[in-house]
Amino acid sequence: EPEVTQTPSHQVTQMGQEVILRCVPISNHLYFYWYRQILGQKVEFLVSFYNNEISEKSEIFDDQFSVERPDGSNFTLKIRSTKLEDSAMYFCASSDTGDSRETQYFGPGTRLLVL
Amino acid sequence: ILNVEQSPQSLHVQEGDSTNFTCSFPSSNFYALHWYRWETAKSPEALFVMTLNGDEKKKGRISATLNTKEGYSYLYIKGSQPEDSATYLCAFWAGGTSYGKLTFGQGTILTVHP
Repeated sequence: EPEVTQTPSHQVTQMGQEVILRCVPISNHLYFYWYRQILGQKVEFLVSFYNNEISEKSEIFDDQFSVERPDGSNFTLKIRSTKLEDSAMYFCASSDTGDSRETQYFGPGTRLLVL
Repeated sequence: ILNVEQSPQSLHVQEGDSTNFTCSFPSSNFYALHWYRWETAKSPEALFVMTLNGDEKKKGRISATLNTKEGYSYLYIKGSQPEDSATYLCAFWAGGTSYGKLTFGQGTILTVHP
């Protein structure tokens, strides 16, 4: 069964460093998303992406964050200068359409720890 | 700010017990409610997408109901098994927020003891 994959599964970085989190969405999906969960808090939406553009972003997704689909298969989230509060589990998801009735398929997440 | 709440936060049951938990969401501007099952170190697994008031969906021993007028959904597990142990998440899609913005509850952690 097709699945969303994410690499790395864990990443430890120093404050101020750049990180790139990678995702391979399900191959025929057109809509891509990033969510995150800070430990002990709710999963929260960061950004949605369609047709090589950001469709919607949350207030969390500031200038330190960017997303890219560099080729036909990968979808990346870059954090330019990490802060301690960026430590979280980051989830990538994809869906066939952007319809509210459409299931979003999630990857297993990347655990990011900023020291 | 949309508020999606789940209760209880955690639940311990014995194998064979039936159980249920609640997801509460804003009753206005409803588009869809998604349920996920999340085991540690795995991808959250989609269980149901519910869209119509009165919807009832079933997948094996798991079922869910939806009341959009009062803003809640129940998830039921019949005859719980240890492999049902997981965090169950609900996520609300509000009208006016397009392109996939799911708003999640905090989850209910279910532990089924053999």
